[in-house]
Amino acid sequence: AQSVTQPDIHITVSEGASLELRCNYSYGATPYLFWYVQSPGQGLQLLLKYFSGDTLVQGIKGFEAEFKRSQSSFNLRKPSVHWSDAAEYFCAARATSYDKVIFGPGTSLSVIP
Amino acid sequence: ETGVTQTPRHLVMGMTNKKSLKCEQHLGHNAMYWYKQSAKKPLELMFVYNFKEQTENNSVPSRFSPECPNSSHLFLHLHTLQPEDSALYLCASSPDRTANYGYTFGSGTRLTVV
Repeated sequence: AQSVTQPDIHITVSEGASLELRCNYSYGATPYLFWYVQSPGQGLQLLLKYFSGDTLVQGIKGFEAEFKRSQSSFNLRKPSVHWSDAAEYFCAARATSYDKVIFGPGTSLSVIP
Repeated sequence: ETGVTQTPRHLVMGMTNKKSLKCEQHLGHNAMYWYKQSAKKPLELMFVYNFKEQTENNSVPSRFSPECPNSSHLFLHLHTLQPEDSALYLCASSPDRTANYGYTFGSGTRLTVV
């Protein structure tokens, strides 16, 4: 069955440190891939997306993600974390344009000063 | 006002009450969605509307009744809910049903059923 996993339930990083959030997918072919962020009390905001082409994707708020077909992964990175990045991060995927989007369980990010 | 607006932000209702959640988007999108976000569970797609026609119902109990009068407005009518229905209900929209450019979400309605 198609699935999206985020192995880390919660991550804590120091402000200014680098960040990597992991996402793995289980699909037969390369799916459409997305990362969303949800700040407390808010809805989800799209950070970036990948369909094809360059495997390193740039997004908003200084985030980037790298698609690795061999590892079925789409990890989110940021070189220097700010306290305002503390939030819940969701990876999502869909097999084709008309398939249901499947969200991962989310990774909660805490940032310490 | 731009984006996706949901009202009310918070709602407490008894199991015998009838209430409605409202979603409005000013983005010119043609597809709208209801999602349920419960603690410790992934987001659950409930309903999909495309050009105000329902295209997907993911086995949602009949105590949840959606309504989409036009492409800009989406409602979720609630009646005789159960405590396990307490959750954050998120509305989203996308330019079209493919959602290849992702969703735009509202801030959600936090529902508590007592």
